[in-house]
Amino acid sequence: DAGVIQSPRHEVTEMGQEVTLRCKPISGHDYLFWYRQTMMRGLELLIYFNNNVPIDDSGMPEDRFSAKMPNASFSTLKIQPSEPRDSAVYFCASSLRLGAGPNTEAFFGQGTRLTVV
Amino acid sequence: AQSVTQLGSHVSVSEGALVLLRCNYSSSVPPYLFWYVQYPNQGLQLLLKYTSAATLVKGINGFEAEFKKSETSFHLTKPSAHMSDAAEYFCAVKTQGGSEKLVFGKGTKLTVNP
Repeated sequence: DAGVIQSPRHEVTEMGQEVTLRCKPISGHDYLFWYRQTMMRGLELLIYFNNNVPIDDSGMPEDRFSAKMPNASFSTLKIQPSEPRDSAVYFCASSLRLGAGPNTEAFFGQGTRLTVV
Repeated sequence: AQSVTQLGSHVSVSEGALVLLRCNYSSSVPPYLFWYVQYPNQGLQLLLKYTSAATLVKGINGFEAEFKKSETSFHLTKPSAHMSDAAEYFCAVKTQGGSEKLVFGKGTKLTVNP
């Protein structure tokens, strides 16, 4: 498996524009996580899905952020409208149920570096 | 709710010296604990994890960590630092049997001096 795949790797957009980040999880994983990384706040969990259903979105900063998982192999994180303070690295991760067995940890993609100017 | 505190946002060691990165957790129930490493412009990679089996956990690249319930700690160590260990290290906690939320500490950036 190629691992968790995120696109694009870099995105530069103007304030007010819509931004869509994409993630393809590892095949067979039933959990998918979206994280945001900034210098000030570190790694924050935004939302996670189980079997394509959003389970906890308490970390989503505001209504401008939305996430979907239409099927087991694809998820999007959308920001509309984008603001400069949304500039960060956004990571997608996938896993089996986190636990004691082998390969039950979260596997991370390479991230999308978003810059909103 | 569970949380993680990593003492020291920056740690600097000489090549060949002991590496010690500190992590303390807060959890009302037995936790799963993880250490991840992040190299520049990369995602996070698992170093090791504690899942209530052995309290001393060995990971990749010569790293190990010891779970100490009495101290609520899970410090990461390596006997001899290598230049390639320079990276940012994150400790994370998840409660057993509960939500799948994996909560990360703020990270510790390790610098290795020649």
